[in-house]
Amino acid sequence: NAGVTQTPKFQVLKTGQSMTLQCAQDMNHEYMSWYRQDPGMGLRLIHYSVGAGITDQGEVPNGYNVSRSTTEDFPLRLLSAAPSQTSVYFCASSVTGGTLVFEQFFGPGTRLTVL
Amino acid sequence: QQQVKQSPQSLIVQKGGIPIINCAYENTAFDYFPWYQQFPGKGPALLIAIRPDVSEKKEGRFTISFNKSAKQFSLHIMDSQPGDSATYFCAVTGTASKLTFGTGTRLQVTL
Repeated sequence: NAGVTQTPKFQVLKTGQSMTLQCAQDMNHEYMSWYRQDPGMGLRLIHYSVGAGITDQGEVPNGYNVSRSTTEDFPLRLLSAAPSQTSVYFCASSVTGGTLVFEQFFGPGTRLTVL
Repeated sequence: QQQVKQSPQSLIVQKGGIPIINCAYENTAFDYFPWYQQFPGKGPALLIAIRPDVSEKKEGRFTISFNKSAKQFSLHIMDSQPGDSATYFCAVTGTASKLTFGTGTRLQVTL
């Protein structure tokens, strides 16, 4: 099993450009999520999905869109990149028990720089 | 609002010491309390977790202590080793299908 994979690993964008960060998992997890990690801020939830066709906002959703057409894939779209979106982005998938999010399996991350 | 407060921000201990990292939460609806470990350049990975019906859980050299009335939980690393040098995050989850993380503690274990 590959676990959770993310592409690209590194990306540099100019302000105003758009792009999609890809995330895929092969563990048949219903729950998937996107986080951004900034120094001193920990991991902040951007968007999450409890199953195909269902998405919801996390703590910092502005400027990002997601969709979940399949169980395996959960892409994150930056609509118009801003320097404030410079960060490391992690995708994760999880086993859940009702509303409880149990072990999250994280991908290797995408380091994004917006100039 | 910050639902989980983690301290200290950084910690340096000598090999064999027992670093302690603390977290405090506000919402009593939380029902699962994990700790994640992250090495540089890698994604976080689950280290150990506890449910509120027990006050302590041990897995190898790692122990979670849980105080439900004080809404606090802590991670203790026994006989710490240089290989334990990493960033540690506490987290909480409950009725909202979300995992909320603390701000992290950077631990350095020196020889």
